[in-house]
Amino acid sequence: SQLAEENPWALSVHEGESVTVNCSYKTSITALQWYRQKSGEGPAQLILIRSNEREKRNGRLRATLDTSSQSSSLSITATRCEDTAVYFCATDSSGSWQLIFGSGTQLTVMP
Amino acid sequence: ETAVFQTPNYHVTQVGNEVSFNCKQTLGHDTMYWYKQDSKKLLKIMFSYNNKQLIVNETVPRRFSPQSSDKAHLNLRIKSVEPEDSAVYLCASSAGTGVDTQYFGPGTRLLVL
Repeated sequence: SQLAEENPWALSVHEGESVTVNCSYKTSITALQWYRQKSGEGPAQLILIRSNEREKRNGRLRATLDTSSQSSSLSITATRCEDTAVYFCATDSSGSWQLIFGSGTQLTVMP
Repeated sequence: ETAVFQTPNYHVTQVGNEVSFNCKQTLGHDTMYWYKQDSKKLLKIMFSYNNKQLIVNETVPRRFSPQSSDKAHLNLRIKSVEPEDSAVYLCASSAGTGVDTQYFGPGTRLLVL
């Protein structure tokens, strides 16, 4: 079973709208990362938020982390067509060598 | 800016053949990884290689083996490919392990006929 899972599975918005992707995880973590994978490319990190942080921003992106409910969200404001991608959350199980990726949310931004 | 390079981009082969994929990183990182990504975009870690220490995901079949000449290179060899090996294989690197940011290459798409 997945240790991290995003929802919804897919989202469609129009350019300029805001969108939020959610992530739930099952273990204690050191940090949670959000990655984006565009078609034909490898994933690229967007934000890393540590377990002692509640919010992190990167331009139009805002990530939150709630360790009590083991959940995180990634919000994108003023979306653009180039934001179309699969968005993954990834967690390290504390002390583990692995970064565990969720199953991803496909975001489509339409003109 | 690409700093993790993978070759080939795409490979088609027959069941039972041996294939080898190359990965090189120019970031000076100590750890490299191989992931398998299936058609549903699910990413599964296969191997981690750090300072000549190999960590293997126990679910990886024995026909898969990583090969490293130095910390900048980690290749993947598959002996006797099977249809279920069709996937995108992604190489990544990081400064350390665990929570460190991972930098991915563009992937090698394998199709086994």
